[in-house]
Amino acid sequence: DIQMTQSPSSVSVFVGDRVTITCRPGHDIDRFLNWYQQKPGKAPKLLVFAASTLQNEVPSRFSGGGSGTEFTLTITSLQPEDSATYFCQQSYSSPYTFGPGTKVEIK
Amino acid sequence: QVQLQESGPGLVKPSETLSLICTVSGDSINADFWSWIRQPAGKGLEWLGRISSSGSANYNPSVKSRVSMSLDKSKNQFYLQLHSVTAADTAVYYCARERVWGDYSDYIDPWGQGTLVTVSS
Repeated sequence: DIQMTQSPSSVSVFVGDRVTITCRPGHDIDRFLNWYQQKPGKAPKLLVFAASTLQNEVPSRFSGGGSGTEFTLTITSLQPEDSATYFCQQSYSSPYTFGPGTKVEIK
Repeated sequence: QVQLQESGPGLVKPSETLSLICTVSGDSINADFWSWIRQPAGKGLEWLGRISSSGSANYNPSVKSRVSMSLDKSKNQFYLQLHSVTAADTAVYYCARERVWGDYSDYIDPWGQGTLVTVSS
């Protein structure tokens, strides 16, 4: 299995701040990396696929980057509704695996 | 707009079989892959496996000896069975569509709302 790590595990920021979350797979996964947002009591929602492609209707303040063994999800100008947990997921090889999540809180 | 809805018992006894149904609306299950993912309370996400529209399944080795997935195109539903459950199988179970297309595009979207299954006597 490809192990996924994320950093930080949690972050507390002000509205309007920029947040960057890093995901590191334990194996080169090329660009087979997706990002999801999960709010409490809700199902995960796809934000970014193929490392950097924004899913339809996802605000442009979200962006993804990276390839191989290091990826980032950046939220520019954080909004109150962005308070959530963010997960990365590799689709390079089965079994698909997720990162442990990064909790983004608003100060 | 495709929507998925899980249904099934919320309580299962240890050693018994957990059985869930995912009903898909707004799209046919004649294409794509159809997945099950679970999340214990306060923890991360575990991909359990997927089944293709042709009925070929691919399971996570962590549950492979106990899991079975199937689908019924006439009902636009797909199914999860997890045998010999223990308390460690207590989790929210999600069904979801997996799309595979183009370069590097292999992602899970959308997800059902999830259903809590508790394993307890």
